[in-house]
Amino acid sequence: EPEVTQTPSHQVTQMGQEVILRCVPISNHLYFYWYRQILGQKVEFLVSFYNNEISEKSEIFDDQFSVERPDGSNFTLKIRSTKLEDSAMYFCASSTPEGLAGYFGSLEAYEQYFGPGTRLTVT
Amino acid sequence: GQQVMQIPQYQHVQEGEDFTTYCNSSTTLSNIQWYKQRPGGHPVFLIQLVKSGEVKKQKRLTFQFGEAKKNSSLHITATQTTDVGTYFCAGPALGGGYALNFGKGTSLLVTP
Repeated sequence: EPEVTQTPSHQVTQMGQEVILRCVPISNHLYFYWYRQILGQKVEFLVSFYNNEISEKSEIFDDQFSVERPDGSNFTLKIRSTKLEDSAMYFCASSTPEGLAGYFGSLEAYEQYFGPGTRLTVT
Repeated sequence: GQQVMQIPQYQHVQEGEDFTTYCNSSTTLSNIQWYKQRPGGHPVFLIQLVKSGEVKKQKRLTFQFGEAKKNSSLHITATQTTDVGTYFCAGPALGGGYALNFGKGTSLLVTP
């Protein structure tokens, strides 16, 4: 079964450094997402990406963050000047198989496939 | 913004007992999804509910969507140790898009 992959599994960085988290979404999916989960807390939405541009973003996703699809397979999250409070598990997800885009009406959504996550530790 | 509240935060049951988690939204939801996250794992999609009053079953799991589409529940009959994990409900994050706004989750522990 196709799956979302993420690298690295664990990233340790010093405060103020930049990090890039990498994801390979499921190949025929059209929507990509980044979420984060601080230890023991709920999963929080950061940003969604569709058709090579940001579709939605939350209040968390400020100028410190950026996303990019540098080629046909990778989807990256860059965090500039990391802070201690950025320490969390970052999940990439994808949804909406190409053939099903527009299949559902306006009320329904598509299931999201999550990757295994990158644990970011800022020291 | 839209809030999705989930209770209880934790539930510890003996294997064979039933379990229910409840999800409430401050606003009407167009749909609600449920995810399960095993300890150390990532969220895995369980189901989506769309219609008012909808009830869906997956083996021992029963999902309900309230008539007003503001609340939902997940009920597990005769829990097994494989049911251990955190169950999250999630509604549309910002309205109109596919991003998800997760509840805080209910962590289920099942002891044999």
